[in-house]
Amino acid sequence: NAGVMQNPRHLVRRRGQEARLRCSPMKGHSHVYWYRQLPEEGLKFMVYLQKENIIDESGMPKERFSAEFPKEGPSILRIQQVVRGDSAAYFCASSPRQLAGTTDTQYFGPGTRLTVL
Amino acid sequence: GDSVTQMEGPVTLSEEAFLTINCTYTATGYPSLFWYVQYPGEGLQLLLKATKADDKGSNKGFEATYRKETTSFHLEKGSVQVSDSAVYFCALSDGKGGGNKLTFGTGTQLKVEL
Repeated sequence: NAGVMQNPRHLVRRRGQEARLRCSPMKGHSHVYWYRQLPEEGLKFMVYLQKENIIDESGMPKERFSAEFPKEGPSILRIQQVVRGDSAAYFCASSPRQLAGTTDTQYFGPGTRLTVL
Repeated sequence: GDSVTQMEGPVTLSEEAFLTINCTYTATGYPSLFWYVQYPGEGLQLLLKATKADDKGSNKGFEATYRKETTSFHLEKGSVQVSDSAVYFCALSDGKGGGNKLTFGTGTQLKVEL
């Protein structure tokens, strides 16, 4: 069973360009979380999605960032008009269908390291 | 809001030494608590977890006990190996917002030397 896949592993963009990060959850997982890790810091929650729905985007910056998890295909985190402060590692995690009152384990991908020049 | 505080690193130990990495948390209700490990260039791997007070999570010789009275979840291992060198993250999930988003500490780097 393949783990969580993220691509690309490394992405370099110039200021003002768009960055598109992809995440394929583990087979059978319908919940996806995106986290950002700035240098020398812990991971910060960005957004939580289920298929075709954004459930919690309380950690997403209000502008330039968007996320989707279509019925078919990977989840996409898109950053428009990137700035140097967007340079970070972006991690995706997936979990299976969650029952009320339970805490399912999140399985993390290897991350995409974004560098903005 | 929720928060997790970990001891700062790096922590440098000799092989076979005893390890403690302190973790305390602030949260409403009864969160679930986790330790994740990150090896260089890789994503996070779940090391252990505990979902209620007094639970002890354990894996690969590591263990941590959920202490509600002290709001702590300290990670311990009796005898570390060079292969344990990594960054360790303490995290919590309170189950609010319709999901199980994780709140992480800043991480503690562990270096184990021969």
